[in-house]
Amino acid sequence: DVKVTQSSRYLVKRTGEKVFLECVQDMDHENMFWYRQDPGLGLRLIYFSYDVKMKEKGDIPEGYSVSREKKERFSLILESASTNQTSMYLCASTLPGQGANEQFFGPGTRLTVL
Amino acid sequence: LAKTTQPISMDSYEGQEVNITCSHNNIATNDYITWYQQFPSQGPRFIIQGYKTKVTNEVASLFIPADRKSSTLSLPRVSLSDTAVYYCLVGLLSSGSARQLTFGSGTQLTVLP
Repeated sequence: DVKVTQSSRYLVKRTGEKVFLECVQDMDHENMFWYRQDPGLGLRLIYFSYDVKMKEKGDIPEGYSVSREKKERFSLILESASTNQTSMYLCASTLPGQGANEQFFGPGTRLTVL
Repeated sequence: LAKTTQPISMDSYEGQEVNITCSHNNIATNDYITWYQQFPSQGPRFIIQGYKTKVTNEVASLFIPADRKSSTLSLPRVSLSDTAVYYCLVGLLSSGSARQLTFGSGTQLTVLP
């Protein structure tokens, strides 16, 4: 079974803090994603990585950056957290190929910025 | 970007067949349609994916008409454990680009005893 793990289930940070969300997958997947999930808005793609050190902006990249130094690990960075970044953050991974593919999701990190 | 629209919520009774429709009027030629299920405090889980006509697996069927402007997820004989949020995802994951991936806002399915 593919396993995608996220470093924290719950996180509380203060406005202006730098925040790191870590994601690790154990199936040697090339593609990794970071989404945020908000009520009524579904899942929105923040960043996507298709290989080590390769990244591409999603629909809502403002205020975020990412790092992929190793194939299994994809980090989401909030350089200066703000209250409007309070949300559920979901990481996913998938193999390359046709279509959108079966994405395997982690359990999510619920981030609260005070 | 293919915008997707789903009903916000649906109720059903145990043992019934449930059909959830997603509208995606501006779907692109190469886009695929994928459905996910999400339980509280968990990440979404893949259910089924299709490109056209009908796809069936052990848990669901996906019906896609010829114009591909909508798709219908069909869950046969639902049980209480099928109570969850169901998401429609339309797009294409091509090498180096995932910007076309668009999730719907989700349909809360509640199965009643």
